Amino acid sequence: QVQLQESGPGLVKPPQTLSLTCTVSGGSISSGGYYWSWIRQLPGKGLEWIGYIYYSGVTYYNPSLKSRITISVETSKNQFSLKLSSVTAADTAVYYCARDSSGGSGSFDIWGPGTMVIVSS
Amino acid sequence: QSVLTQPPSVSGAPGQRVTIPCTGSSSNLGSGYDVYWYQQLPGTAPKLLIYANINRPSGVPDRFSGSKSGTSASLAITGLQAEDEADYYCQSYDSSLGPVVFGGGTKLTV
Repeated sequence: QVQLQESGPGLVKPPQTLSLTCTVSGGSISSGGYYWSWIRQLPGKGLEWIGYIYYSGVTYYNPSLKSRITISVETSKNQFSLKLSSVTAADTAVYYCARDSSGGSGSFDIWGPGTMVIVSS
Repeated sequence: QSVLTQPPSVSGAPGQRVTIPCTGSSSNLGSGYDVYWYQQLPGTAPKLLIYANINRPSGVPDRFSGSKSGTSASLAITGLQAEDEADYYCQSYDSSLGPVVFGGGTKLTV
């Protein structure tokens, strides 16, 4: 079955760029039909959707983070990635990648285990 | 402040029934957009519990059910078990804020 796995540095210095990759196994991003999202959870807080990408490269970002986000896809590696620029301590969170099975409006049926990213100098 | 409003906490005794409300507005639930529910056990990633308002993915017990009416939705859990103790989140589409918005989450104590 399809599985997702986040990877990337666990510590990022402000105001550098946070970079994470999600590797998809057990299925192909290129097969279409799914949108691939990044979602984060600040410590002790709720879930915040960051943005999604389709295998064709179409993206949609959370308006509140849009100026700092870039999501890209590398179909040859079956991966998609997140870059969040100019990070501050407020970006410290667990970052999840997830598969959206409802055409870009939610229904995240598969999640990665999450990766904790701490922003600190 | 989340655009979808949930109570911070609810509680119930084993075997009881609890409901978790999710209140939206005319720009999300009231416009007919679907609601989704997720269960997040401590220290784990969220898990899809209900999709498209009322549907359960394979493997989700029928003790969990969803409903939606107007600008509100609700998750009901019957026959409460200790293992149901978790955080629960609703999620939908909002015509002003974007394709994915979450509720603030509700902590269920059994």
